Amino acid sequence: KNEVEQSPQNLTAQEGEFITINCSYSVGISALHWLQQHPGGGIVSLFMLSSGKKKHGRLIATINIQEKHSSLHITASHPRDSAVYICAVRVLFGGGADGLTFGKGTHLIIQP
Amino acid sequence: DGGITQSPKYLFRKEGQNVTLSCEQNLNHDAMYWYRQDPGQGLRLIYYSQIVNDFQKGDIAEGYSVSREKKESFPLTVTSAQKNPTAFYLCASSVGQGAVYEQYFGPGTRLTVT
Repeated sequence: KNEVEQSPQNLTAQEGEFITINCSYSVGISALHWLQQHPGGGIVSLFMLSSGKKKHGRLIATINIQEKHSSLHITASHPRDSAVYICAVRVLFGGGADGLTFGKGTHLIIQP
Repeated sequence: DGGITQSPKYLFRKEGQNVTLSCEQNLNHDAMYWYRQDPGQGLRLIYYSQIVNDFQKGDIAEGYSVSREKKESFPLTVTSAQKNPTAFYLCASSVGQGAVYEQYFGPGTRLTVT
């Protein structure tokens, strides 16, 4: 079983719709990252969360540490939001080094 | 501009040849990572290095080798022992610890072995 589960795996929506992507995890320590990967392959960090809620423009991320669940919301979605959204949870590797373990990603397509 | 560079973006090799993927960063980060990404799968850790001259195996290190002779550079060699080398390879570096830990990613190299 994957330690970081995302849903849905694929999502197609119309421009303007409210989008929700969910992430549940069974490992990790107290911090979760949302990443965006565009078709060219490069990955950028959207949010790092350890509690509560963060907002950046039309993007909102929430986390419930007790329930080990996070959501990424996109308001007023636009075709340029089309990308793969990846949830990653902070873990400790052997020897105590910080690292991330990743979900499989949600492939989002926003149609005009 | 600070960042991570990976070159080339696309790389083609014949089966049985070793190939080295470059990763350079000018962010002054101590820790660096190599990931492999396959369609429908999450990023999987190949190797990581916390400091110069030290590196550790990740979850899928078999068939790969790395070196870390300089802080800025963390090249990955895909050897002929890697059974299924065609994939997208991402390099990353990190800063901070605990609640302020963050990773930065390079643009990736798509390797095709035929």
